[in-house]
Amino acid sequence: SQELEQSPQSLIVQEGKNLTINCTSSKTLYGLYWYKQKYGEGLIFLMMLQKGGEEKSHEKITAKLDEKKQQSSLHITASQPSHAGIYLCGAALLSYNNNDMRFGAGTRLTVKP
Amino acid sequence: DTEVTQTPKHLVMGMTNKKSLKCEQHMGHRAMYWYKQKAKKPPELMFVYSYEKLSINESVPSRFSPECPNSSLLNLHLHALQPEDSALYLCASSQTGGNQPQHFGDGTRLSIL
Repeated sequence: SQELEQSPQSLIVQEGKNLTINCTSSKTLYGLYWYKQKYGEGLIFLMMLQKGGEEKSHEKITAKLDEKKQQSSLHITASQPSHAGIYLCGAALLSYNNNDMRFGAGTRLTVKP
Repeated sequence: DTEVTQTPKHLVMGMTNKKSLKCEQHMGHRAMYWYKQKAKKPPELMFVYSYEKLSINESVPSRFSPECPNSSLLNLHLHALQPEDSALYLCASSQTGGNQPQHFGDGTRLSIL
């Protein structure tokens, strides 16, 4: 089974709507990363969360880390077509050294204009 | 524009060919990574170099041979690949020590005939 479970697998929203993507780990989280990927391209780093309760925002994207639940959420406010892509959570699951990072399966986001 | 540069962007090769993928970064990062990504799947870690030394090899077949000539360069030598090796190959780099985000290149799309 996947060490990092993402939900939903895909999401279609109307432009202007809010949405949330979740990432749950089956193991202790030593660091949680959110990336965005356009099809066939590299991963773009969005945010890193390290401490329980930590919350970070960048433009209209907010990510939170619930260390006790071993879970992170990514929230997009007032979605735009430019937000479309695949959102991946990545985590260091063995130690605070992030060399051995694992990824969730990704959430494919479509934003309809 | 990504700060991790990968060449070539696309590569088509036969099963008997020998080719190399190249990755370069000038951010002063001392950890570099190779990932393999199949369609609609998350990236899978292949190799990690830390201070130009191989620190992680995720049981990758010997037909893939990594090389780190210096702190800015990472190569992946390919020989006698199989059709199932067709994928997007991603390079990433990061600072070392503790939780540090990995920065990805745009990848090389590899097709094995």
